[in-house]
Amino acid sequence: GENVEQHPSTLSVQEGDSAVIKCTYSDSASNYFPWYKQELGKRPQLIIDIRSNVGEKKDQRIAVTLNKTAKHFSLHITETQPEDSAVYFCAASPGNFGNEKLTFGTGTRLTIIP
Amino acid sequence: NAGVTQTPKFQVLKTGQSMTLQCAQDMNHEYMSWYRQDPGMGLRLIHYSVGAGITDQGEVPNGYNVSRSTTEDFPLRLLSAAPSQTSVYFCASSSSRTSGSHEQFFGPGTRLTVL
Repeated sequence: GENVEQHPSTLSVQEGDSAVIKCTYSDSASNYFPWYKQELGKRPQLIIDIRSNVGEKKDQRIAVTLNKTAKHFSLHITETQPEDSAVYFCAASPGNFGNEKLTFGTGTRLTIIP
Repeated sequence: NAGVTQTPKFQVLKTGQSMTLQCAQDMNHEYMSWYRQDPGMGLRLIHYSVGAGITDQGEVPNGYNVSRSTTEDFPLRLLSAAPSQTSVYFCASSSSRTSGSHEQFFGPGTRLTVL
């Protein structure tokens, strides 16, 4: 089955600086890659996603890049703010099943230092 | 819309007891899933369903049963609770691939402790 590795497990960034979180996946059939943000005690919420036919997607301060050849994708947060502090999860899903069979990474705890 | 709802929010069980975690969604989503979240391990898929009457196993199905008799409901049954099942359980739903949206919407979670 799919295996998703996520690094780093913790990340501290000065407010205003950029943060980058990286994930690798093993199943070349995966073609959907979402990123979820989870605040303490809350449910995961989708912040951005990308499909394998796209190399990069941007939404305001958040961007995701995908390298299918190398099987890795990354989350970029620019101009970080205190409210960006949370745990971020990447995930991958094989094309045959669509989006209901997500395999998640182990998460990155991002702390924004004021 | 209430979105995805889960009950109960908290539950304490003794080893060997059984119980059902409830999950419902009012978005007419075809796909529903159950995940467990443990510290340092992310979310792991337990069971999922692609529509009423259709279920399949995920990564960690042992000790759990599911059924999907309606589009709205997807209960998770613990047959004989074990301390290893202490976790936070999330239910999620998503729309059909044909609609173009892949987002999974999560419920608020159930925190389960097995003594």
